[in-house]
Amino acid sequence: GQQLNQSPQSMFIQEGEDVSMNCTSSSIFNTWLWYKQDPGEGPVLLIALYKAGELTSNGRLTAQFGITRKDSFLNISASIPSDVGIYFCAGQSWGNQFYFGTGTSLTVIP
Amino acid sequence: GAVVSQHPSWVICKSGTSVKIECRSLDFQATTMFWYRQFPKQSLMLMATSNEGSKATYEQGVEKDKFLINHASLTLSTLTVTSAHPEDSSFYICSARAPRGLGYEQYFGPGTRLTVT
Repeated sequence: GQQLNQSPQSMFIQEGEDVSMNCTSSSIFNTWLWYKQDPGEGPVLLIALYKAGELTSNGRLTAQFGITRKDSFLNISASIPSDVGIYFCAGQSWGNQFYFGTGTSLTVIP
Repeated sequence: GAVVSQHPSWVICKSGTSVKIECRSLDFQATTMFWYRQFPKQSLMLMATSNEGSKATYEQGVEKDKFLINHASLTLSTLTVTSAHPEDSSFYICSARAPRGLGYEQYFGPGTRLTVT
Protein backbone atom coordinates (compact mmCIF):
# COMPACT_ATOMS: atom_id res chain seq x y z
CA GLY A 1 0.00 0.00 0.00
CA GLN A 2 0.88 3.66 -0.08
CA GLN A 3 3.55 4.90 2.29
CA LEU A 4 4.02 8.45 3.38
CA ASN A 5 7.35 10.22 2.95
CA GLN A 6 8.85 10.87 6.34
CA SER A 7 12.05 12.81 6.99
CA PRO A 8 14.63 12.69 8.20
CA GLN A 9 15.20 8.96 8.11
CA SER A 10 17.36 9.10 11.24
CA MET A 11 18.61 11.71 13.67
CA PHE A 12 21.42 11.77 16.21
CA ILE A 13 21.10 14.65 18.67
CA GLN A 14 22.46 15.76 22.00
CA GLU A 15 20.28 15.56 25.07
CA GLY A 16 18.46 18.84 25.56
CA GLU A 17 18.21 19.69 21.88
CA ASP A 18 14.94 20.13 20.06
CA VAL A 19 13.85 17.72 17.33
CA SER A 20 11.71 18.26 14.27
CA MET A 21 10.46 15.68 11.80
CA ASN A 22 7.84 15.82 9.10
CA CYS A 23 5.66 13.72 6.92
CA THR A 24 4.32 14.44 3.44
CA SER A 25 1.85 12.78 1.14
CA SER A 26 0.52 13.17 -2.37
CA SER A 27 -2.96 12.52 -1.02
CA ILE A 28 -5.01 14.48 1.46
CA PHE A 29 -6.04 13.00 4.78
CA ASN A 30 -8.71 13.76 7.33
CA THR A 31 -6.61 12.60 10.27
CA TRP A 32 -2.89 12.66 10.99
CA LEU A 33 -1.40 10.56 13.74
CA TRP A 34 2.05 10.30 15.30
CA TYR A 35 3.30 7.13 16.95
CA LYS A 36 6.47 6.13 18.79
CA GLN A 37 7.82 2.61 18.69
CA ASP A 38 10.38 1.27 21.14
CA PRO A 39 12.46 -1.78 20.15
CA GLY A 40 10.44 -4.97 20.36
CA GLU A 41 7.22 -3.14 21.14
CA GLY A 42 4.17 -2.04 19.25
CA PRO A 43 3.70 1.63 18.27
CA VAL A 44 2.18 3.89 20.89
CA LEU A 45 -0.06 6.76 19.86
CA LEU A 46 1.43 10.13 20.80
CA ILE A 47 -0.78 12.72 19.15
CA ALA A 48 -3.86 12.67 16.91
CA LEU A 49 -4.82 15.62 14.68
CA TYR A 50 -8.27 16.01 13.15
CA LYS A 51 -8.44 19.46 11.52
CA ALA A 52 -6.30 21.21 8.92
CA GLY A 53 -4.11 23.75 10.68
CA GLU A 54 -4.62 22.14 14.07
CA LEU A 55 -1.68 22.44 16.46
CA THR A 56 -1.71 20.01 19.37
CA SER A 57 0.72 19.46 22.23
CA ASN A 58 1.35 16.50 24.48
CA GLY A 59 3.95 17.45 27.06
CA ARG A 60 7.17 18.22 25.21
CA LEU A 61 5.66 17.05 21.93
CA THR A 62 3.90 19.35 19.49
CA ALA A 63 2.38 18.31 16.18
CA GLN A 64 0.56 20.20 13.45
CA PHE A 65 -1.87 19.16 10.74
CA GLY A 66 -0.79 20.96 7.57
CA ILE A 67 -3.18 23.42 5.92
CA THR A 68 -3.04 21.49 2.63
CA ARG A 69 -3.96 18.28 4.49
CA LYS A 70 -0.97 16.67 2.81
CA ASP A 71 1.62 17.09 5.52
CA SER A 72 2.26 17.11 9.24
CA PHE A 73 5.19 17.76 11.52
CA LEU A 74 6.20 16.64 14.98
CA ASN A 75 8.47 18.61 17.27
CA ILE A 76 10.07 17.36 20.46
CA SER A 77 11.50 19.99 22.76
CA ALA A 78 14.38 19.52 25.19
CA SER A 79 15.00 15.90 24.25
CA ILE A 80 15.84 13.33 26.90
CA PRO A 81 17.35 9.84 26.57
CA SER A 82 13.97 8.10 26.83
CA ASP A 83 12.87 9.87 23.63
CA VAL A 84 14.98 7.33 21.76
CA GLY A 85 12.93 5.22 19.38
CA ILE A 86 11.33 5.20 15.97
CA TYR A 87 8.64 7.76 15.25
CA PHE A 88 5.99 7.02 12.65
CA CYS A 89 3.45 9.33 11.14
CA ALA A 90 0.20 7.95 9.82
CA GLY A 91 -2.54 9.41 7.69
CA GLN A 92 -6.15 8.30 7.63
CA SER A 93 -8.31 8.98 4.62
CA TRP A 94 -12.04 9.61 4.49
CA GLY A 95 -12.46 6.01 3.41
CA ASN A 96 -10.81 5.11 6.73
CA GLN A 97 -7.77 3.73 4.95
CA PHE A 98 -4.66 4.08 7.00
CA TYR A 99 -1.14 4.75 5.69
CA PHE A 100 2.14 4.74 7.59
CA GLY A 101 5.21 6.85 7.15
CA THR A 102 8.62 5.31 6.62
CA GLY A 103 9.74 6.19 10.14
CA THR A 104 12.34 8.45 11.75
CA SER A 105 14.87 6.79 14.03
CA LEU A 106 15.86 9.09 16.88
CA THR A 107 19.01 8.65 18.94
CA VAL A 108 19.63 10.96 21.88
CA ILE A 109 23.20 11.21 23.09
CA PRO A 110 23.46 11.93 26.83
CA GLY B 1 -8.31 3.50 27.86
CA ALA B 2 -7.83 1.98 24.39
CA VAL B 3 -5.55 -0.87 25.37
CA VAL B 4 -4.77 -3.69 22.97
CA SER B 5 -3.11 -6.89 24.07
CA GLN B 6 -1.40 -9.58 22.04
CA HIS B 7 -0.56 -13.14 22.95
CA PRO B 8 1.97 -14.63 22.89
CA SER B 9 4.72 -12.02 23.09
CA TRP B 10 7.13 -14.34 21.37
CA VAL B 11 7.00 -17.84 19.99
CA ILE B 12 9.53 -20.26 18.54
CA CYS B 13 8.19 -23.05 16.41
CA LYS B 14 9.48 -25.69 14.06
CA SER B 15 9.11 -25.43 10.32
CA GLY B 16 5.84 -26.92 9.11
CA THR B 17 3.85 -26.25 12.26
CA SER B 18 1.09 -23.67 12.68
CA VAL B 19 1.06 -20.78 15.11
CA LYS B 20 -1.90 -18.77 16.38
CA ILE B 21 -1.56 -15.19 17.58
CA GLU B 22 -4.37 -13.50 19.48
CA CYS B 23 -5.20 -9.80 19.49
CA ARG B 24 -7.64 -8.39 22.04
CA SER B 25 -9.04 -4.93 22.61
CA LEU B 26 -9.33 -4.80 26.39
CA ASP B 27 -11.49 -1.76 27.10
CA PHE B 28 -13.32 -1.02 23.87
CA GLN B 29 -15.10 -2.86 21.11
CA ALA B 30 -13.38 -2.93 17.76
CA THR B 31 -15.32 -3.77 14.65
CA THR B 32 -12.11 -3.52 12.68
CA MET B 33 -8.69 -4.87 13.54
CA PHE B 34 -5.53 -4.88 11.47
CA TRP B 35 -2.58 -7.21 11.19
CA TYR B 36 0.87 -5.90 10.33
CA ARG B 37 4.24 -7.43 9.75
CA GLN B 38 7.45 -5.60 10.48
CA PHE B 39 10.98 -6.43 9.43
CA PRO B 40 13.98 -5.00 11.29
CA LYS B 41 14.48 -1.27 10.80
CA GLN B 42 11.45 -1.02 8.53
CA SER B 43 8.00 0.43 8.77
CA LEU B 44 4.91 -1.62 9.41
CA MET B 45 3.50 -3.50 6.44
CA LEU B 46 -0.25 -4.02 6.46
CA MET B 47 -1.13 -7.66 5.85
CA ALA B 48 -4.88 -7.67 6.25
CA THR B 49 -7.91 -5.89 7.62
CA SER B 50 -10.10 -7.96 9.88
CA ASN B 51 -13.79 -7.11 10.21
CA GLU B 52 -15.94 -8.69 12.89
CA GLY B 53 -18.29 -11.25 11.47
CA SER B 54 -16.96 -11.18 7.93
CA LYS B 55 -13.98 -12.33 5.92
CA ALA B 56 -10.71 -10.49 6.21
CA THR B 57 -9.46 -8.29 3.41
CA TYR B 58 -5.89 -9.15 2.46
CA GLU B 59 -3.33 -6.83 0.96
CA GLN B 60 -1.84 -7.67 -2.38
CA GLY B 61 0.83 -10.35 -2.11
CA VAL B 62 -0.35 -11.74 1.21
CA GLU B 63 -1.45 -15.38 0.99
CA LYS B 64 -4.82 -15.71 2.66
CA ASP B 65 -4.51 -19.50 2.93
CA LYS B 66 -1.24 -19.13 4.77
CA PHE B 67 -2.24 -16.30 7.09
CA LEU B 68 -5.69 -17.21 8.39
CA ILE B 69 -7.55 -14.43 10.14
CA ASN B 70 -10.62 -14.88 12.30
CA HIS B 71 -12.43 -11.95 13.92
CA ALA B 72 -14.86 -13.90 16.04
CA SER B 73 -15.97 -11.13 18.38
CA LEU B 74 -15.77 -7.38 18.82
CA THR B 75 -12.75 -7.78 21.09
CA LEU B 76 -10.80 -10.65 19.55
CA SER B 77 -9.03 -11.30 16.28
CA THR B 78 -6.65 -14.16 15.64
CA LEU B 79 -3.93 -14.66 13.06
CA THR B 80 -2.83 -18.21 12.33
CA VAL B 81 0.37 -18.72 10.40
CA THR B 82 -0.11 -22.13 8.80
CA SER B 83 2.75 -24.43 7.86
CA ALA B 84 5.25 -21.86 9.01
CA HIS B 85 8.63 -21.60 7.35
CA PRO B 86 11.78 -19.69 8.38
CA GLU B 87 10.93 -16.86 5.99
CA ASP B 88 7.76 -16.27 8.04
CA SER B 89 9.92 -15.28 11.00
CA SER B 90 9.06 -11.68 11.76
CA PHE B 91 7.48 -9.28 14.21
CA TYR B 92 3.69 -9.38 13.89
CA ILE B 93 1.66 -6.49 15.29
CA CYS B 94 -2.07 -6.11 15.49
CA SER B 95 -4.07 -2.96 15.94
CA ALA B 96 -7.68 -2.19 16.73
CA ARG B 97 -9.62 0.77 15.43
CA ALA B 98 -11.22 2.73 18.22
CA PRO B 99 -14.93 3.45 17.91
CA ARG B 100 -16.11 6.78 16.57
CA GLY B 101 -16.41 8.28 20.04
CA LEU B 102 -12.69 7.73 20.58
CA GLY B 103 -11.72 9.17 17.21
CA TYR B 104 -11.29 6.11 15.00
CA GLU B 105 -7.55 5.97 15.74
CA GLN B 106 -5.69 2.71 15.60
CA TYR B 107 -4.25 1.40 18.84
CA PHE B 108 -1.54 -1.18 18.60
CA GLY B 109 -0.74 -4.33 20.49
CA PRO B 110 2.76 -4.93 21.84
CA GLY B 111 3.63 -7.30 19.00
CA THR B 112 4.53 -10.97 18.70
CA ARG B 113 8.02 -12.08 17.73
CA LEU B 114 7.77 -15.27 15.65
CA THR B 115 10.86 -17.36 15.03
CA VAL B 116 10.55 -20.41 12.82
CA THR B 117 13.43 -22.86 13.03
